[in-house]
Amino acid sequence: GAVVSQHPSRVICKSGTSVKIECRSLDFQATTMFWYRQFPKQSLMLMATSNEGSKATYEQGVEKDKFLINHASLTLSTLTVTSAHPEDSSFYICSANPGHGFSYEQYFGPGTRLTVT
Amino acid sequence: AQKVTQAQTEISVVEKEDVTLDCVYETRDTTYYLFWYKQPPSGELVFLIRRNSFDEQNEISGRYSWNFQKSTSSFNFTITASQVVDSAVYFCALSVYSGAGSYQLTFGKGTKLSVIP
Repeated sequence: GAVVSQHPSRVICKSGTSVKIECRSLDFQATTMFWYRQFPKQSLMLMATSNEGSKATYEQGVEKDKFLINHASLTLSTLTVTSAHPEDSSFYICSANPGHGFSYEQYFGPGTRLTVT
Repeated sequence: AQKVTQAQTEISVVEKEDVTLDCVYETRDTTYYLFWYKQPPSGELVFLIRRNSFDEQNEISGRYSWNFQKSTSSFNFTITASQVVDSAVYFCALSVYSGAGSYQLTFGKGTKLSVIP
């Protein structure tokens, strides 16, 4: 149980285009989903926290207009990188929290490797 | 603010040696959770263990063992008789309540373990 998927696993896009990454909780409902970014040889940095049906909360320094997050249902959150540039190339990982007394748990997706050319 | 320090950036050991990965954390919360994750080259985070702040009992799982000491705010991870498959980046993480029913994870910078055959 507690499986989280991400799609796509890898994406290459041209500078200036937008890319959408999906994060799905497959066998549970996620009251909260998190988006992390990981540069090569670095740690995971939290970008934003999203609760179903409400606006995401972004961490300091993360541009909300560039990284659009939508958490439209209890099983799906999307991250859209708008007008991507080479410096946005990174490994993006989502996680989902099932709530209901286990609010400290986060189940991680396999990650999406974004390369902007 | 929460902080996790993994002072060892990279460690190399010869196969069958024991190795300990250090983790020191900082938080003012009295209720918190500590985690260890393994990240192989594929990028997917693999959950290893969770400990809550009220449970200082050490744990052993096969070749893995964890030593949690609140007095020194440490949560160290030992691999006994290391194997090549243990080569990966290992992250220690701290989870504290962030409001709105969810907890937020703070990751250490990770320790890259290389096990040499």
